[in-house]
Amino acid sequence: QKEVEQDPGPLSVPEGAIVSLNCTYSNSAFQYFMWYRQYSRKGPELLMYTYSSGNKEDGRFTAQVDKSSKYISLFIRDSQPSDSATYLCAMSGTLGAQKLVFGQGTRLTINP
Amino acid sequence: DARVTQTPRDKVTEMGQEVTMRCQPILGHNTVFWYRQTMMQGLELLAYFRNRAPLDDSGMPKDRFSAEMPDATLATLKIQPSEPRDSAVYFCASGKSGWTDTQYFGPGTRLTVL
Repeated sequence: QKEVEQDPGPLSVPEGAIVSLNCTYSNSAFQYFMWYRQYSRKGPELLMYTYSSGNKEDGRFTAQVDKSSKYISLFIRDSQPSDSATYLCAMSGTLGAQKLVFGQGTRLTINP
Repeated sequence: DARVTQTPRDKVTEMGQEVTMRCQPILGHNTVFWYRQTMMQGLELLAYFRNRAPLDDSGMPKDRFSAEMPDATLATLKIQPSEPRDSAVYFCASGKSGWTDTQYFGPGTRLTVL
């Protein structure tokens, strides 16, 4: 079993929908949780990071961490075709350019 | 706008040939990571360096892969000899240890071994 599990999808939703992306993990030492977005033929780019449990909001994006359930989520409100990409969750026991463990990535398509 | 650069962007080679991939980390970043991405395995860490010293290369097949940092502005990943199963996209990422920022990825090298 992998340390981080993420449904690879693909996930296809209409423009304007709320999107929910999720990861589960098994290592209780993970303290820092990140979401990366990867467009086709590009490198992953950091979207958001959160520490420990709780929510963090940035524009249309909300990251949520539930350490008791070992479950993290990324919500995208008012989804746009430009949000079509692969979303990868990543985790670490420490922050600051440390070793990350990535999920498989979920391929998301927003249909106009 | 500081970015990680990687060369070449695409490489097609025959089985058994040597392949060298290069990465220039963002100036001032002291940590460099090499990843491999495939459809089946996703993004896997191969090795990483801090202040040019290798910290962890446990993800790398030792018999054919080698990673080095000849200087602070250049990281290399070499495969010799290459095999078809090495076909993947190889990413370099850099970051600063001890800061709140995490890793910044380059555009990747798409390797195809025939």
